[in-house]
Amino acid sequence: QQQVKQSPQSLIVQKGGIPIINCAYENTAFDYFPWYQQFPGKGPALLIAIRPDVSEKKEGRFTISFNKSAKQFSLHIMDSQPGDSATYFCAARRRETSGSRLTFGEGTQLTVNP
Amino acid sequence: NAGVMQNPRHLVRRRGQEARLRCSPMKGHSHVYWYRQLPEEGLKFMVYLQKENIIDESGMPKERFSAEFPKEGPSILRIQQVVRGDSAAYFCASSPGGPTQYFGPGTRLTVL
Repeated sequence: QQQVKQSPQSLIVQKGGIPIINCAYENTAFDYFPWYQQFPGKGPALLIAIRPDVSEKKEGRFTISFNKSAKQFSLHIMDSQPGDSATYFCAARRRETSGSRLTFGEGTQLTVNP
Repeated sequence: NAGVMQNPRHLVRRRGQEARLRCSPMKGHSHVYWYRQLPEEGLKFMVYLQKENIIDESGMPKERFSAEFPKEGPSILRIQQVVRGDSAAYFCASSPGGPTQYFGPGTRLTVL
């Protein structure tokens, strides 16, 4: 119930393509869903986040689609660039009186070829 | 506004030694979370602290691991008597409150 399942594990696209990364969860108590981007040797950087009362959110080239009934959400990267090559993590937060711990997916290694 | 700072960035210890990892949150942030990332895996929650208080340590191993966030100074994650299985990247994240968390660059611990 605390898991977030992420797919695919790795993804290769050509420059300009639209990679899509998917996540699914079971726990309906999750109420906040961020995506993080991580480059080798660096810490995760917050990209974009969504709450379950919204079905889509865009920030620049990044879009989150959220399907509350299916308990799934996905990240789309428009006009992908080689500089987008990184590992992407979805996460979910279950609001509790004891804080906002995040449960992470296993990550997707994205490669954007020139 | 400086981001979350962690030091050291790399730490090498022999089995049985102690490791101390430090995290300075962003200015104005009083909430600190520690996560561990094993190679090729996602991040796993360890502990959540506010100034001078441990709020949630449900992700911490029961033995050898401890954390603190004193009134003055950085948050510290302490691992006593390290074993090879402790080798990982340890990240802290800070928050002003609410769900948004900002991560530091991490400390990569290698146990020989």
